Amino acid sequence: QKEVEQNSGPLSVPEGAIASLNCTYSDRGSQSFFWYRQYSGKSPELIMSIYSNGDKEDGRFTAQLNKASQYVSLLIRDSQPSDSATYLCAVNYEAGNTPLVFGKGTRLSVIA
Amino acid sequence: DAGVIQSPRHEVTEMGQEVTLRCKPISGHDYLFWYRQTMMRGLELLIYFNNNVPIDDSGMPEDRFSAKMPNASFSTLKIQPSEPRDSAVYFCASRSGYMGNTIYFGEGSWLTVV
Repeated sequence: QKEVEQNSGPLSVPEGAIASLNCTYSDRGSQSFFWYRQYSGKSPELIMSIYSNGDKEDGRFTAQLNKASQYVSLLIRDSQPSDSATYLCAVNYEAGNTPLVFGKGTRLSVIA
Repeated sequence: DAGVIQSPRHEVTEMGQEVTLRCKPISGHDYLFWYRQTMMRGLELLIYFNNNVPIDDSGMPEDRFSAKMPNASFSTLKIQPSEPRDSAVYFCASRSGYMGNTIYFGEGSWLTVV
């Protein structure tokens, strides 16, 4: 059973702080990793993808991947109230065009 | 460019009725996915198609669920008969097989079965 685990939260951080969201996955052979953001009542939208060990930065967002530990994280710097949403971690378990497996998401609340 | 288009956006139906959800993928995308989202189970893959052919339907919960993709620009997910436990948000998503594994979601169909 291929699983993606996330803490459901809520994770509350003050405005301007760094929010750290974590995700673990069950299969060492996993190939690619994604973070989606989902506002209440809306559909998931892609924030970042990461394929190699290490960090990948895009604006205020940094994705971190550690394949040895089967761990992927998302850091949000200078958190804003508009970042309040549920963040979904998704994993592509096999090479090639296979579906993404999603975690249940972590709800983030940024307090002004 | 238009995104994934789903209809209806909201549907309330009585138990036992047939429900048909529709999806138009992004033009040029050759993969189409149907996901269901609930609070308890999160986002679950129901079925996916490649070039209009169903590849994996192991996530379809019961024989009451069926999906078709008659052409590259249209897919349906049908529930017959519907039950209250089918109440969920049903998302259609699509992807180009030539442009990585990122999938793009439609706005979802919010189904309530009473």
